[in-house]
Amino acid sequence: NAGVTQTPKFQVLKTGQSMTLQCAQDMNHNSMYWYRQDPGMGLRLIYYSASEGTTDKGEVPNGYNVSRLNKREFSLRLESAAPSQTSVYFCASRGGRERNYGYTFGSGTRLTVV
Amino acid sequence: LAKTTQPISMDSYEGQEVNITCSHNNIATNDYITWYQQFPSQGPRFIIQGYKTKVTNEVASLFIPADRKSSTLSLPRVSLSDTAVYYCLVHLPGGATNKLIFGTGTLLAVQP
Repeated sequence: NAGVTQTPKFQVLKTGQSMTLQCAQDMNHNSMYWYRQDPGMGLRLIYYSASEGTTDKGEVPNGYNVSRLNKREFSLRLESAAPSQTSVYFCASRGGRERNYGYTFGSGTRLTVV
Repeated sequence: LAKTTQPISMDSYEGQEVNITCSHNNIATNDYITWYQQFPSQGPRFIIQGYKTKVTNEVASLFIPADRKSSTLSLPRVSLSDTAVYYCLVHLPGGATNKLIFGTGTLLAVQP
């Protein structure tokens, strides 16, 4: 099925550990996004990539890095995890007239930093 | 960036029509209005999008007045499964260089 695939679905890290969240889309969309969502709050944009080879900061980029590996894949890296980064992370892609350029979201990665 | 304002929460009963209004006073001429639905532990899902007047699909209707400074998502005859958070966004179509900001959304609670 076409869509956005995120891995892993769950992860527990110790403070100071690093990890990379993977995201891939198969809809040939140009733009991809990483959001985080904390309990009872809306989504906050971390980084986005308007097209292959470009990335830009969102609202809350500190503590994160991203890589747009190719048109399909957009990864989010935590170099030194902190408890404040405990959150649910959503990847999204956007593009295509068939849905009026609306977002398609992945199912999320639930990250806990202890 | 166009900022949106929505009620934090709404309550309804099964079978009722629910209208959720979003204000976006700074909407730009070329901005579209899009609504998303989010269930717990899932990513948001596209519901409907419009530019002006009225748009209807199999899920909802979207009403946009002439000045486009607000929009209303209408859900006909809600069921328990419509309990979710609903987000309103305004943005340019096509291009992805603008940063799209989600607000806190409206939590709709449907009771039996």
